[in-house]
Amino acid sequence: DTGVSQDPRHKITKRGQNVTFRCDPISEHNRLYWYRQTLGQGPEFLTYFQNEAQLEKSRLLSDRFSAERPKGSFSTLEIQRTEQGDSAMYLCASSLRDVLGSETPTNTGELFFGEGSRLTVL
Amino acid sequence: GNSVTQMEGPVTLSEEAFLTINCTYTATGYPSLFWYVQYPGEGLQLLLKATKADDKGSNKGFEATYRKETTSFHLEKGSVQVSDSAVYFCALSHQGAQKLVFGQGTRLTINP
Repeated sequence: DTGVSQDPRHKITKRGQNVTFRCDPISEHNRLYWYRQTLGQGPEFLTYFQNEAQLEKSRLLSDRFSAERPKGSFSTLEIQRTEQGDSAMYLCASSLRDVLGSETPTNTGELFFGEGSRLTVL
Repeated sequence: GNSVTQMEGPVTLSEEAFLTINCTYTATGYPSLFWYVQYPGEGLQLLLKATKADDKGSNKGFEATYRKETTSFHLEKGSVQVSDSAVYFCALSHQGAQKLVFGQGTRLTINP
């Protein structure tokens, strides 16, 4: 396994179209995160899954955004009726469970990020 | 709420120079602190971390010390190399929270 992979790497679409991004996490990781990064800013949390359960969603995630992880493996992030303000890099990350909790032998505090999917809405 | 503030970039240094990238945070309680690095064309990767006050994280010649009294986690390296050119992100996670809060990033360029 070579790490977190995201597809497509770059998507150009017209305003109002729907787009979907896919993330394949590291195989043994049961947590999967989506972040959004705009130019000159740090990544902003959108949502995360533990296995197939979506446990938290940011207020940044409007009703036009939906994320799934149906079998607890890969995840998709869909944006409906895209707007120019949706243009950003969408980052996926994966980790072992309890990674951000108390320090334990399996809790290294590390998220493994993919290279991102860049969305441009014209 | 929780937030992270990094020194603004970009930062340009000559090879073998001393590097400091400042990072301060606002959080209740005792967050864990991280530095992530993004090399050109690659994804973010963890550089180092510290989980409690006075801890020092270190990796690849970089160091950062968790200073609760100044709410800081400054990144330092004694002698930078061209290969250190990247964007550096300071981040925190609050105990019990399941997400990282990132600073805005600092772009570092090292000239030979």
